[in-house]
Amino acid sequence: DAKTTQPNSMESNEEEPVHLPCNHSTISGTDYIHWYRQLPSQGPEYVIHGLTSNVNNRMASLAIAEDRKSSTLILHRATLRDAAVYYCILRDTGSSNTGKLIFGQGTTLQVKP
Amino acid sequence: NAGVTQTPKFRILKIGQSMTLQCTQDMNHNYMYWYRQDPGMGLKLIYYSVGAGITDKGEVPNGYNVSRSTTEDFPLRLELAAPSQTSVYFCASSYSYSKPQHFGDGTRLSIL
Repeated sequence: DAKTTQPNSMESNEEEPVHLPCNHSTISGTDYIHWYRQLPSQGPEYVIHGLTSNVNNRMASLAIAEDRKSSTLILHRATLRDAAVYYCILRDTGSSNTGKLIFGQGTTLQVKP
Repeated sequence: NAGVTQTPKFRILKIGQSMTLQCTQDMNHNYMYWYRQDPGMGLKLIYYSVGAGITDKGEVPNGYNVSRSTTEDFPLRLELAAPSQTSVYFCASSYSYSKPQHFGDGTRLSIL
């Protein structure tokens, strides 16, 4: 399973944009880039995923580098509720059809009022 | 909107006791997963199932067993509880291997 590298922690001010980086230099052609987040004392929740093109949904945007070796999760306007651990995960949908998620330690995002 | 329901929410066990963590989902999802999360760490996959009657081991299966007799239920069994199994356990489900996973709220288990 290809690995991802994320900063351990980041800080943001409320109502400002947040850019959460993720490096995945060994990504394969069939790996999708998934982002989940985990609010305190809760289970993880799905945020967004993509393969090659940038993606937007109601929660966030995902910007994927042209060589796919890195990506950035963008929260357009951070709120206090966005304080969480954010996980960047590569999900192989090529050779494996198990759908397993391999979690790293993620990035702990603090949002200051 | 039940989603993925885990019971119990909290439990304290003595070393050597057994218990079953329950997980049920009402979304008709084929794929189900059990993860554990130790303090300050990411989740690790214990077992998974791609459909009723089919289960397979994940990264950390030792000390656990699972069964999947129905689409809805995926119980996790601890036969001889050990202090190393103190953790938060999360169950998840997804419609297919490529769709997002939906997680329950977790079971916080302490073994003393």
